[in-house]
Amino acid sequence: GQNIDQPTEMTATEGAIVQINCTYQTSGFNGLFWYQQHAGEAPTFLSYNVLDGLEEKGRFSSFLSRSKGYSYLLLKELQMKDSASYLCAVRRDSWGKLQFGAGTQVVVTP
Amino acid sequence: EAQVTQNPRYLITVTGKKLTVTCSQNMNHEYMSWYRQDPGLGLRQIYYSMNVEVTDKGDVPEGYKVSRKEKRNFPLILESPSPNQTSLYFCASSLYPSGGATEAFFGQGTRLTVV
Repeated sequence: GQNIDQPTEMTATEGAIVQINCTYQTSGFNGLFWYQQHAGEAPTFLSYNVLDGLEEKGRFSSFLSRSKGYSYLLLKELQMKDSASYLCAVRRDSWGKLQFGAGTQVVVTP
Repeated sequence: EAQVTQNPRYLITVTGKKLTVTCSQNMNHEYMSWYRQDPGLGLRQIYYSMNVEVTDKGDVPEGYKVSRKEKRNFPLILESPSPNQTSLYFCASSLYPSGGATEAFFGQGTRLTVV
């Protein structure tokens, strides 16, 4: 089957680091995206990985291991505004068929 | 301002009454797609379009139709809505995703309730 799995919820303290894992089993792989979605709003793009390794963008980093079907999103120096749902998505072909995980709700506490 | 615009934002309708949700983008993107978002299931792709007059099914196309007559518009049509189509719908657009970090820009969503 086609599965993308993420934890449902994670809680962390302001200023801390949180790592959100995503494992996937899909027919085809042409890149992995992370999106952030605040409650009641549209998703917004955070990062993209297509080759193995780490991509860093300010406080956010994303890692990919294609052989393991595994990615993580690392959020450093957490701020209250980082409380949101984080969506992992796999592009399954070059035509743009995109499959999302159910999302991980991150709750940042003071 | 670069944006994807969906209308309406909220809609309550009755079973069987045809409806259309419009989506328009002003970024000259080739690629557009529709998703529905349900609790615990995440975003699921309904249909996508690679360019004018070129569309294909996503993972949950049953009960939906789309058309792409112009590059900027990609309406979602529910010919005979049913209560299981009650959901939050998002339209998205991006440059042609042949590869690379072609991020999708999402509209603000349409919350549809079918009674």
